[in-house]
Amino acid sequence: DGGITQSPKYLFRKEGQNVTLSCEQNLNHDAMYWYRQDPGQGLRLIYYSQIVNDFQKGDIAEGYSVSREKKESFPLTVTSAQKNPTAFYLCASNTGAGDTEAFFGQGTRLTVV
Amino acid sequence: AQKITQTQPGMFVQEKEAVTLDCTYDTSDQSYGLFWYKQPSSGEMIFLIYQGSYDEQNATEGRYSLNFQKARKSANLVISASQLGDSAMYFCAMREVYTNAGKSTFGDGTTLTVKP
Repeated sequence: DGGITQSPKYLFRKEGQNVTLSCEQNLNHDAMYWYRQDPGQGLRLIYYSQIVNDFQKGDIAEGYSVSREKKESFPLTVTSAQKNPTAFYLCASNTGAGDTEAFFGQGTRLTVV
Repeated sequence: AQKITQTQPGMFVQEKEAVTLDCTYDTSDQSYGLFWYKQPSSGEMIFLIYQGSYDEQNATEGRYSLNFQKARKSANLVISASQLGDSAMYFCAMREVYTNAGKSTFGDGTTLTVKP
């Protein structure tokens, strides 16, 4: 079955550590996105990529980094520079067309301990 | 810049009744898509319904319909015959077709609670 897989589902990070969240899709979608969601809030765009080897900053990119070496994969690294990383992270993908919905992964809940 | 406004942080509805969730948007583009997603407590985002800016008829998908009023820039979601399983957070989103790199912008969401 086609879809997006995020791992892990839960992640705990110590202060000062970098952690990487995985996002893999087998939908053959060109565009992939990372969103952050705080409790009771909407989704805020961190980074997005429309094509392999290219990505752009979203609205809240500071303290995060990404790579897009393969079409299927778009990992997100939460660096120690991100001061408040505890949140729910959602990865999404879609085709380039504006009339198609985004497909989402199950999300990763990151907690700083 | 594109913007989505959902003015109802929380809504309650009696089981089997209909409910309308409000969404207004702002864009300077002529061509765009409007989407509604459901997010249950598990966190996954479930696509519900889509309306294109050039669609003349309101979109419908089962118990979901989208009340699209282009001149007022509103795209309200109507859920008919509410079920207990409809209790979730609902997000309105927009994609501009030609500008803004096809990114989606989401509203802050509305939490719907269905009462038995």
